[in-house]
Amino acid sequence: DAMVIQNPRYQVTQFGKPVTLSCSQTLNHNVMYWYQQKSSQAPKLLFHYYDKDFNNEADTPDNFQSRRPNTSFCFLDIRSPGLGDAAMYLCATSRGETQQYFGPGTRLTVT
Amino acid sequence: ILNVEQSPQSLHVQEGDSTNFTCSFPSSNFYALHWYRWETAKSPEALFVMTLNGDEKKKGRISATLNTKEGYSYLYIKGSQPEDSATYLCAFWIDYKLSFGAGTTVTVRA
Repeated sequence: DAMVIQNPRYQVTQFGKPVTLSCSQTLNHNVMYWYQQKSSQAPKLLFHYYDKDFNNEADTPDNFQSRRPNTSFCFLDIRSPGLGDAAMYLCATSRGETQQYFGPGTRLTVT
Repeated sequence: ILNVEQSPQSLHVQEGDSTNFTCSFPSSNFYALHWYRWETAKSPEALFVMTLNGDEKKKGRISATLNTKEGYSYLYIKGSQPEDSATYLCAFWIDYKLSFGAGTTVTVRA
């Protein structure tokens, strides 16, 4: 089945230690998104790629970076995680401006 | 900051009962409203994409209505079943991206 895969499902990292979350898709969608969701809050868009074009949200901290080496893969890098970065990170894809297809998320814990 | 509000934040419903909840959004410059269902430990799943005022969409026992002039959408669950337990998210499409509400968490009691 075509899908959006996120690895790992659970990630524990130490304060200040760089961490990378990965997302892959078999849908061949041209748009990929990264959202951050903290407990009981709305998912918040961090950035998205429209094809190769990177679109950063104005309020996304510089600590968060992303890479999209090809259509299928997208990475979220957190350069120096703080305690406030503990959250669920969701990857989603879409074909243009249509419904989004989500992965199951990566739960990040910062110790 | 675009405010998409969902109410209530959570609700409990007895198996077999019907329920509904609300998503409110800015009524100006409407393009589309999305509904997603997010079960625990699974991926959020798209339920509906609604674009026209007065739209009504249905998927099994779940249906949704849309009023773009007053800026709200209702989601209805008829004859709730335990498998309907999930968080239901609505999202407003603006500026080439979705702005999400915080969701309504539905718990169906057997």
